[in-house]
Amino acid sequence: QVQLVQSGAEVKRPGTSEKLSCKASGYIFSGYYMHWLRQAPGQGLEWIGSVNPNTGDTSISHHFHDRVTLTWDTPIRTAYMELERLTSDDSAIYYCARGYFRWFDFWGPGTLVTVSS
Amino acid sequence: DIQMTQSPSSLSASVGDRVTITCRASQTIGRYLNWYQQRPGTSPNLLIYSASSLQSGVPSRFSASGSGTEFTLTINSLQPEDFATYYCQQSNTYPYTFGPGTKVEIK
Repeated sequence: QVQLVQSGAEVKRPGTSEKLSCKASGYIFSGYYMHWLRQAPGQGLEWIGSVNPNTGDTSISHHFHDRVTLTWDTPIRTAYMELERLTSDDSAIYYCARGYFRWFDFWGPGTLVTVSS
Repeated sequence: DIQMTQSPSSLSASVGDRVTITCRASQTIGRYLNWYQQRPGTSPNLLIYSASSLQSGVPSRFSASGSGTEFTLTINSLQPEDFATYYCQQSNTYPYTFGPGTKVEIK
């Protein structure tokens, strides 16, 4: 069965960076896009970007384009998202989600990131 | 960016009720519209893709329709496990965007 396991909760200082991981199992990792999204406390969902592990194509929302780096390691079926220059506005639950055509069919449990001085 | 709106923002309903949620896009998105359910403390769960296709494993009481800029999600005979927040999401154009959500509460 498809599973996405995300790294644990983090507390970060403003101005620093975070690098989150998402380990996939139960499907061919390189056959599907991996998307990253986030949800601030009590708020809605925001798409951050996506990566195609097969082609290397990445797409990142212009809201994040200069702060986000998406990488992956196919042999260990893991995707990574690094977000730089953190502010309190970046405090949120970060999700990875498998992209199937143009929708997200499996989601990870999320990683809570708290940015606080 | 394509802006997505939903109405109502919340509603109260009873078990057995029929509920309809509307989602509108700021520009035409064809049928590139998906619906997700999110229960408190959990990740979103795909219900409907491509405007009206039911995701595998989702109960048939969920249905959806629409194209262009206006879409609806209907829940027939609301069940206790359906009390949650529902989001629409457009996948016509990057950046993908979501509606603000509709919270379905118990009356």
